[in-house]
This record gives sequence, structure tokens and C-alpha cells, in this order.
Amino acid sequence: DTGVSQDPRHKITKRGQNVTFRCDPISEHNRLYWYRQTLGQGPEFLTYFQNEAQLEKSRLLSDRFSAERPKGSFSTLEIQRTEQGDSAMYLCASSETPFGELFFGEGSRLTVL
Amino acid sequence: AQKITQTQPGMFVQEKEAVTLDCTYDTSDPSYGLFWYKQPSSGEMIFLIYQGSYDQQNATEGRYSLNFQKARKSANLVISASQLGDSAMYFCAMRRSGGSNYKLTFGKGTLLTVNP
Repeated sequence: DTGVSQDPRHKITKRGQNVTFRCDPISEHNRLYWYRQTLGQGPEFLTYFQNEAQLEKSRLLSDRFSAERPKGSFSTLEIQRTEQGDSAMYLCASSETPFGELFFGEGSRLTVL
Repeated sequence: AQKITQTQPGMFVQEKEAVTLDCTYDTSDPSYGLFWYKQPSSGEMIFLIYQGSYDQQNATEGRYSLNFQKARKSANLVISASQLGDSAMYFCAMRRSGGSNYKLTFGKGTLLTVNP
């Protein structure tokens, strides 16, 4: 399978714990995006990488959130001191061209108890 | 700022019939792209169709077509000959074409149910 892959698919954690999600984009795509989707809503943009550079961040990305793409390949999204409001689906996407379609992974669903 | 409005929380259609999912948008950018995505219960967002703001003709991809009315700022998705597998959430989205803003802005979606 050469699509976007995300790990883990599901994560249940207790409030206050840290969690990390990993995204492996399509290999030839140098653009990578993170989105968050809560129940009944469309995906909301979190951050964008071009290669290893984080070029755009949403105000939704509070100081408890950090995203990295150290070698311009896979990316990680870490949430520190999780809160119940962080419960959501975290979607990763990649693209080959700057304004073309995004290819999404199946998402990582986070439940904070 | 860009905004996408999908006013139909849910739609029902009989198998083999056509259905139109509504999308209106608001932007001050002169150049932009409009996208439709399908999200089945598995969660993955699947790209369906794209329309550029300067495209003269409406986009078509197989059973999907986009009814683009620029003056009305609408980009409705038409699915012809509906199939049971079309049952899913459908999201309209847009992004600026050009500049340094790369994010895709999504609407709240429409849940389509295809009845046998």
C-alpha cells in the first residue's frame, strides 16, 4: 500500500497524559498537512510542512501541540497534557503540488478520558 | 477569510437515481480551487473532483460532476446513478490558488444515504 499511513489508528488515554501520532506520507510528496476533525464537523487545518519546514500553523495549535517532520519524510504530532477537548480524529494528508488535491490517511482517533 | 457552507446535514436518494449536494462558498481571493471529498465510515477522506475558479467548463469525473456557478458562489456536487457504496459523508472544500496560504478549508459536510 503506497497511500498515506497513520499510526496508531486508535488511542485512548487519560487526561493529562502525552500522546504522539505518526504520519507517513506518500513517498514522492514533499507537502504534509495535519487536520483535526471533531464529531459532526469538517476537518480543521492544524499545520503544514513543506519538506522539513513548518510553513503554516493554525491558531488551533496551542502550545500543548507540537508537530515535527525532521527529515522531510514522516511527521509526528504530539499533544502534551491532554484534555477531554482534544478528543477528535487527527488526519494527516500529503500532496505533490502546492495547490492540488490532498491525499488523506485513515486518521488517528484520540479519546481522552 | 474563506468559508464553506453546506446546508444539507443529510440527504436520501434511491439507488440508481441522481442526487445534488449543495455547497456555497465565500472568499475575496480572485483565484481559488474547489474540491469535494467523500468520507466513508472508515474515516479516510477520498478526493472526488476539483474545479478551478478560472475553469470555463464544469468538472466531471465519472459519475461525479460539479455544477459551478461562480456568480452565485456555488459549487454543487452531482452524483449520477447512485450506488449503495455512495453512502458516506461528503465535504466541500476550497483553498486559495497562489500565495503562501496552503490550507484547505472544509464545510461541515452532508451525510448521504443511498436506499436500495
